[in-house]
Amino acid sequence: KQEVTQIPAALSVPEGENLVLNCSFTDSAIYNLQWFRQDPGKGLTSLLLIQSSQREQTSGRLNASLDKSSGRSTLYIAASQPGDSATYLCAVLESGYSTLTFGKGTMLLVSP
Amino acid sequence: AAGVIQSPRHLIKEKRETATLKCYPIPRHDTVYWYQQGPGQDPQFLISFYEKMQSDKGSIPDRFSAQQFSDYHSELNMSSLELGDSALYFCASSFGQPSTDTQYFGPGTRLTVL
Repeated sequence: KQEVTQIPAALSVPEGENLVLNCSFTDSAIYNLQWFRQDPGKGLTSLLLIQSSQREQTSGRLNASLDKSSGRSTLYIAASQPGDSATYLCAVLESGYSTLTFGKGTMLLVSP
Repeated sequence: AAGVIQSPRHLIKEKRETATLKCYPIPRHDTVYWYQQGPGQDPQFLISFYEKMQSDKGSIPDRFSAQQFSDYHSELNMSSLELGDSALYFCASSFGQPSTDTQYFGPGTRLTVL
């Protein structure tokens, strides 16, 4: 059974810092990995999708990497802003399945 | 661009009542997924449909049922509600099956069972 772990569970940084969120998964047979953002009590916003054949994806200040063989992904946020404060969820789509398995998320707080 | 629509956005029910949640996928998307996110928890997959047929089944209680209609919208029916059913229910849609495409999530329906 696929398990997704996210470290740290919570992170607090001052505005302007670069930061890295980590995601690991136990079964490397995945189609893709997706990073989401969730504001308190709100829906899920897809940030980046990395296909299993790719090693990274970039969108603005966000860069996500994937090392499928080691079962790891990182989300790099450059020049963090208070508006980045949210919970960031990592989810994998396993090969042979059509459903996402989520990690428990990293709660990020960026202080002004 | 059109997104996934869920209704209602908020729902309050008493124990043992029934509830129906609706999901309208992005136009031309033929696959719908339902996820349940309890307080402080990660989303858990419940059930999915492709072309009006059940595709995958996750941790969906027997008290729940769902279907996808000819216009591709989906409904999640929940009976004999329990306090533990209080959660945020997400619907997501994508195109094709098995889908390796992005799943686009709706804003969720917050169900509170009193």
